[in-house]
Amino acid sequence: DARVTQTPRHKVTEMGQEVTMRCQPILGHNTVFWYRQTMMQGLELLAYFRNRAPLDDSGMPKDRFSAEMPDATLATLKIQPSEPRDSAVYFCASDSPRGYTGELFFGEGSRLTVL
Amino acid sequence: AQSVAQPEDQVNVAEGNPLTVKCTYSVSGNPYLFWYVQYPNRGLQFLLKYITGDNLVKGSYGFEAEFNKSQTSFHLKKPSALVSDSALYFCAVRDITGGSYIPTFGRGTSLIVHP
Repeated sequence: DARVTQTPRHKVTEMGQEVTMRCQPILGHNTVFWYRQTMMQGLELLAYFRNRAPLDDSGMPKDRFSAEMPDATLATLKIQPSEPRDSAVYFCASDSPRGYTGELFFGEGSRLTVL
Repeated sequence: AQSVAQPEDQVNVAEGNPLTVKCTYSVSGNPYLFWYVQYPNRGLQFLLKYITGDNLVKGSYGFEAEFNKSQTSFHLKKPSALVSDSALYFCAVRDITGGSYIPTFGRGTSLIVHP
């Protein structure tokens, strides 16, 4: 059963610490999205990659957030330094090979709490 | 620019009654519309989509949605609600203009089905 895998599922850290979230997209999916979910803002697009190249990261605070795809099986989202306002659930999603007519496949999310 | 509106933060319905979760959209070209469901502490799961063809599309768990071009709506429906349908529902649209195909999500509607 193909699925998107995210680690860690839960992370509690202190303000100022570095946080790295990882995502393994479904094999063969060439587009990866990072979303952040909060009660106040709903689902926000942070960044997305196609064929490992970053295409849009305009939703991401550049001073502290960075996103990369070192290879086709791994996407990372890093926050350094973390702040309490970064507390949220971060979702990775990969795109089916049908492209824009296809649905996204979401991971279970990484719940981040910054104290 | 594309946008999605889900006018109701919460919908309450009694078990066995029909349910409707509303969604309206705005895109510059042809709309590609999706519904997702999110259960507590889980990622979003695809329910159904409209790409072209029949305005009534059927999806998982007995859900269906009706595409109405003149009203720019894509309401989610189910003839008989179950308590297990209680979850957060997201409408999404993909816009192919500009080639980005980035999905835009509504803010979500919490569906509560009472026994």
